[in-house]
Amino acid sequence: GAVVSQHPSRVICKSGTSVKIECRSLDFQATTMFWYRQFPKQSLMLMATSNEGSKATYEQGVEKDKFLINHASLTLSTLTVASAHPEDSSFYICSAREQGPGSPLHFGNGTRLTVT
Amino acid sequence: GENVEQHPSTLSVQEGDSAVIKCTYSDSASNYFPWYKQELGKGPQLIIDIRSNVGEKKDQRIAVTLNKTAKHFSLHITETQPEDSAVYFCATHTGGGNKLTFGTGTQLKVEL
Repeated sequence: GAVVSQHPSRVICKSGTSVKIECRSLDFQATTMFWYRQFPKQSLMLMATSNEGSKATYEQGVEKDKFLINHASLTLSTLTVASAHPEDSSFYICSAREQGPGSPLHFGNGTRLTVT
Repeated sequence: GENVEQHPSTLSVQEGDSAVIKCTYSDSASNYFPWYKQELGKGPQLIIDIRSNVGEKKDQRIAVTLNKTAKHFSLHITETQPEDSAVYFCATHTGGGNKLTFGTGTQLKVEL
């Protein structure tokens, strides 16, 4: 089946530093990837839609200068949390679609970010 | 925009019993309805999905039913096992077919 790999699984960083999270589709090409944020015991909140070769589309309220998304190839999207602060601590999850709209969405195993 | 409600928020069943989780949605244009299982510290895993042209789909102990007229769909798990314990999310496909809108999740606990 389709596998989405996300790295790192956990990261602890100091306030003010930047953190990069990678999302790879291992056995399929993904023209579109999605980045979610999840707080404890809550649902997934879509942050942005990452399109290969073009700018990401951000959801309302998500700061594009804080959460930088790059989708340089059909198998890799990265999320960089710039100048992270404690309030950015969260569980970040990426997902990728096998084909076009309406096809199944597969998720990575998430990245637990803790900013001290 | 789409609004997806999911009930119950928590569900405890005895091993071997059935579990049912229900979701309602607001956008009549929604046409794809997946269910995800999320274990602690992991990403959601797709367990079953259904499209709007089908009323029911079954995969071993898991089934999903869809009522488009009433705009609700349900996940049914039979013969529950302890390893079924997890958080389950329903979702609908919206935004011109590009986005998923998730329900609020159900914490299922299967007790021995």
